[in-house]
Amino acid sequence: GENVEQHPSTLSVQEGDSAVIKCTYSDSASNYFPWYKQELGKRPQLIIDIRSNVGEKKDQRIAVTLNKTAKHFSLHITETQPEDSAVYFCAATGNQFYFGTGTSLTVIP
Amino acid sequence: DVKVTQSSRYLVKRTGEKVFLECVQDMDHENMFWYRQDPGLGLRLIYFSYDVKMKEKGDIPEGYSVSREKKERFSLILESASTNQTSMYLCASSNRRIDYGYTFGSGTRLTVV
Repeated sequence: GENVEQHPSTLSVQEGDSAVIKCTYSDSASNYFPWYKQELGKRPQLIIDIRSNVGEKKDQRIAVTLNKTAKHFSLHITETQPEDSAVYFCAATGNQFYFGTGTSLTVIP
Repeated sequence: DVKVTQSSRYLVKRTGEKVFLECVQDMDHENMFWYRQDPGLGLRLIYFSYDVKMKEKGDIPEGYSVSREKKERFSLILESASTNQTSMYLCASSNRRIDYGYTFGSGTRLTVV
């Protein structure tokens, strides 16, 4: 099956700085890569996704990049704000989602 | 807006009890999933179902079973609860093409004492 590794497990940044979370996957057949944000005590929510035929996707301050050759994809958050503090999960899909172990992001005001 | 509802937010059960966790979705999704979430381990798949009365084991099915008698409802059963099953349990659903994303329930925090 698929194996998704996510780094770092914790990340602290100053407000206004950028944050980058990286994931690698093992199955070259995976073709859809979503990112979920989970705020404390709440359900994971889809924030951005990318398909294997695209190299980069942006949505305001959030972007995701995909390198199919190297089998890695990354989440980039620019101009971070305190409300970006949460746990972020990456996932890769075959016939189900395979999740990374999560990154706890803290944005320090 | 898809809603996935888990019947209980918090549960406390005794070791050896049979525990039922219920999940209901209202968007006619074919796929439903049960995950448990533990610090440092992320989201681990317990069971999933692609159709009524159909179930498939995930990565950690031991000690659990599931039931899907109706399309909208997917139940997770702990046959004999143990303390190592203390965790956050998340239900999710998706349409048949999972590359349209999951929708998660709010979770049930189960404590087994």
